[in-house]
Amino acid sequence: DAGVIQSPRHEVTEMGQEVTLRCKPISGHDYLFWYRQTMMRGLELLIYFNNNVPIDDSGMPEDRFSAKMPNASFSTLKIQPSEPRDSAVYFCASTAGGWGTEAFFGQGTRLTVV
Amino acid sequence: RKEVEQDPGPFNVPEGATVAFNCTYSNSASQSFFWYRQDCRKEPKLLMSVYSSGNEDGRFTAQLNRASQYISLLIRDSKLSDSATYLCVVAPRRQGNLIFGKGTKLSVKP
Repeated sequence: DAGVIQSPRHEVTEMGQEVTLRCKPISGHDYLFWYRQTMMRGLELLIYFNNNVPIDDSGMPEDRFSAKMPNASFSTLKIQPSEPRDSAVYFCASTAGGWGTEAFFGQGTRLTVV
Repeated sequence: RKEVEQDPGPFNVPEGATVAFNCTYSNSASQSFFWYRQDCRKEPKLLMSVYSSGNEDGRFTAQLNRASQYISLLIRDSKLSDSATYLCVVAPRRQGNLIFGKGTKLSVKP
């Protein structure tokens, strides 16, 4: 298996633009997580899905952020409009069985909003 | 109080040293515990799970104290390749997510 695949690896965009981050989880994994990492706040959980259904989106910072999982092999995280404070590394991770099992992370998307 | 707290370090140690990291968590109902390792500009990867009885994997020993809500990681005979950030991770009971500490940075010098 190729592991969790995220795209793009790097994104530089101007403030106010829409940004879409993509994730392909490991086949057969039923949990998918979106995390954001910054130096100040560390790794923060934004939202997670179980069997394509959003379970907890309390970590989504505000309405500018939205996430979807239309099927078991694809998820998106969208920021519209983007702001400089959204600059961070966004990680997608997947697990088979949720808590208590190993989470496999993608390589992350490094987002810079100027 | 933060859900998972770690000393951010950095810990600068010479090769061959023994180093210990500590972590505390606030949710007494937490079910599962882990240490993840993150290399610079890379994604986190599982280092080891932490069991109530304590567990060892080569030079690495993890311990859990549920009464004190405290987790530790001991690295013996440090190698240059151990240089990384070590993340303490807690999984709340009956929830699917993982809660990460901010990490402790280790730098092993020759």
